[in-house]
Amino acid sequence: AQTVTQSQPEMSVQEAETVTLSCTYDTSESDYYLFWYKQPPSRQMILVIRQEAYKQQNATENRFSVNFQKAAKSFSLKISDSQLGDAAMYFCAYRSAFGFGNEKLTFGTGTRLTIIP
Amino acid sequence: EAQVTQNPRYLITVTGKKLTVTCSQNMNHEYMSWYRQDPGLGLRQIYYSMNVEVTDKGDVPEGYKVSRKEKRNFPLILESPSPNQTSLYFCASSFTGTSYEQYFGPGTRLTVT
Repeated sequence: AQTVTQSQPEMSVQEAETVTLSCTYDTSESDYYLFWYKQPPSRQMILVIRQEAYKQQNATENRFSVNFQKAAKSFSLKISDSQLGDAAMYFCAYRSAFGFGNEKLTFGTGTRLTIIP
Repeated sequence: EAQVTQNPRYLITVTGKKLTVTCSQNMNHEYMSWYRQDPGLGLRQIYYSMNVEVTDKGDVPEGYKVSRKEKRNFPLILESPSPNQTSLYFCASSFTGTSYEQYFGPGTRLTVT
């Protein structure tokens, strides 16, 4: 079974600075997808960024980028120019490419990010 | 607007009183799933459905039932709720095929006393 580990329960960053959230995962599969989800106080799950394991290039979405290290099974999220609206719980998630109909997401335990004005 | 809806959003109930949390999506998705979120545990899959009349257990199915009689609806049933089912519940849906994004509902906060 796959596992996802987020070792930083809480982090904080000054507004406009850069912060990196860590995520490691364990799998024996060669093909899979990795995600970062944001959960603001509204509790809505919002997809921030997605990485396909067979793609070498790190995904980027505006101020959000990932550092995907497949051999190390590491998938960190970098938020540049942090804004007050980035304050949220962030979840790292894994999805197998061999789900055979079950598109299950395996989540980490989350990192609560605080933005300091 | 493409969305997943859940009702109710908040529910306080007592042990043993049957309840149903509804989930509906308007995107014609084949796949639907239920997760529960607990502090320190992240989100864990309860049940999923690959299509109408096709359902299967996830990682934490004990104490829950589901049905998929229509493509758009996937209700979660707690026939005899217990306090350890106090949690935040999410419904999610997507097209089948792992490259597709999953869409989440707004969540249902359930408290069982």
